[in-house]
Amino acid sequence: KNQVEQSPQSLIILEGKNCTLQCNYTVSPFSNLRWYKQDTGRGPVSLTIMTFSENTKSNGRYTATLDADTKQSSLHITASQLSDSASYICVVSAVSGGGADGLTFGKGTHLIIQP
Amino acid sequence: DADVTQTPRNRITKTGKRIMLECSQTKGHDRMYWYRQDPGLGLRLIYYSFDVKDINKGEISDGYSVSRQAQAKFSLSLESAIPNQTALYFCATRGTSGKRIEQFFGPGTRLTVL
Repeated sequence: KNQVEQSPQSLIILEGKNCTLQCNYTVSPFSNLRWYKQDTGRGPVSLTIMTFSENTKSNGRYTATLDADTKQSSLHITASQLSDSASYICVVSAVSGGGADGLTFGKGTHLIIQP
Repeated sequence: DADVTQTPRNRITKTGKRIMLECSQTKGHDRMYWYRQDPGLGLRLIYYSFDVKDINKGEISDGYSVSRQAQAKFSLSLESAIPNQTALYFCATRGTSGKRIEQFFGPGTRLTVL
């Protein structure tokens, strides 16, 4: 069964600090991995996407890495800001999809930035 | 204007009532989805549609039905609402070109069933 596990479940850090969120997956055959940011009470918004051949992708202060061999991804946030407080969801897509595009969602990491 | 809109944004109803949640999109996408989100469980797929004549059940379709009235509209109905359907509901759309296809989510509908 395809699965996506995210850790930690929640994280509290001080403003200005860096942090790294983890995503491990067992989705096969792998197509791509996307990180979403979800502000409280709003819909998820895409941050980055990586295919099999890409091992790093940046979007401002957000940098995602992918190790397709170990089936792990991380999202690193640099110099955190209060507006980074949100849930971060890892979504992995399987090749050929099958039902519903073969998307498997992680349960998310809830990040709180304290002033 | 938002690309994916949902109405209502908030709804409180009673057990046994019929509820319809509506979703509209201006992105021209063929694929549309309904998800529910519960604390600690993440997003779970209820139904999805790849075009107007195509409707498919997701992992948690029991107690729900959908209607794809047009390419731009996809409605979710709770025929007889029950308290454990209290959740945040999201509609999403997706295009079909290329490998890096992104899902675009609506703002969500917070549903409370008393």
